[in-house]
Amino acid sequence: DTGVSQNPRHKITKRGQNVTFRCDPISEHNRLYWYRQTLGQGPEFLTYFQNEAQLEKSRLLSDRFSAERPKGSFSTLEIQRTEQGDSAMYLCASSLTGQGTEAFFGQGTRLTVV
Amino acid sequence: RKEVEQDPGPFNVPEGATVAFNCTYSNSASQSFFWYRQDCRKEPKLLMSVYSSGNEDGRFTAQLNRASQYISLLIRDSKLSDSATYLCVVNPNYGQNFVFGPGTRLSVLP
Repeated sequence: DTGVSQNPRHKITKRGQNVTFRCDPISEHNRLYWYRQTLGQGPEFLTYFQNEAQLEKSRLLSDRFSAERPKGSFSTLEIQRTEQGDSAMYLCASSLTGQGTEAFFGQGTRLTVV
Repeated sequence: RKEVEQDPGPFNVPEGATVAFNCTYSNSASQSFFWYRQDCRKEPKLLMSVYSSGNEDGRFTAQLNRASQYISLLIRDSKLSDSATYLCVVNPNYGQNFVFGPGTRLSVLP
């Protein structure tokens, strides 16, 4: 499978715990994006990387959230001290550089904070 | 005002009907436009890109009106399998992220 891969697919955690999600983009894609989606809403942008550089972060990304893409390939998104409001689907997408290129999404990680 | 706005629906239409969705965007410098489809509890998937001259792919037609800053999607001869949420997506010029609208839910009824 050469698409975007995310794991785990589901994560249930207790409030206050830290969680980490992984995303493996399509191999030749140099851009990688993280989005969060809650029921009935469109995906909300969190952050994006071009290669290993984190170029943009949304104000939605509080201090408890951190993302890395250390070698410009896979990326991790960590949430520290999880809150119930963090419960959502976390989507990763990748794309090539340039206008008009579309983003390809992984199947997402569904986080439930109890 | 949100960057990308859509009527959330739901649009309930019979099989064979023609249905149209509109989307407006706030950043006049936006460069790229897309329609994505998202099935329940699945990831968004590209339906079609939207070009300035308009484009068609089978039963689907997308139009872009830069002057009015809106994008449309027309679905002809609706099928049951078209039932999904349709997301309008804009790639603004000032940033490189993709901005999604809230989506329009379509239910095609037998």
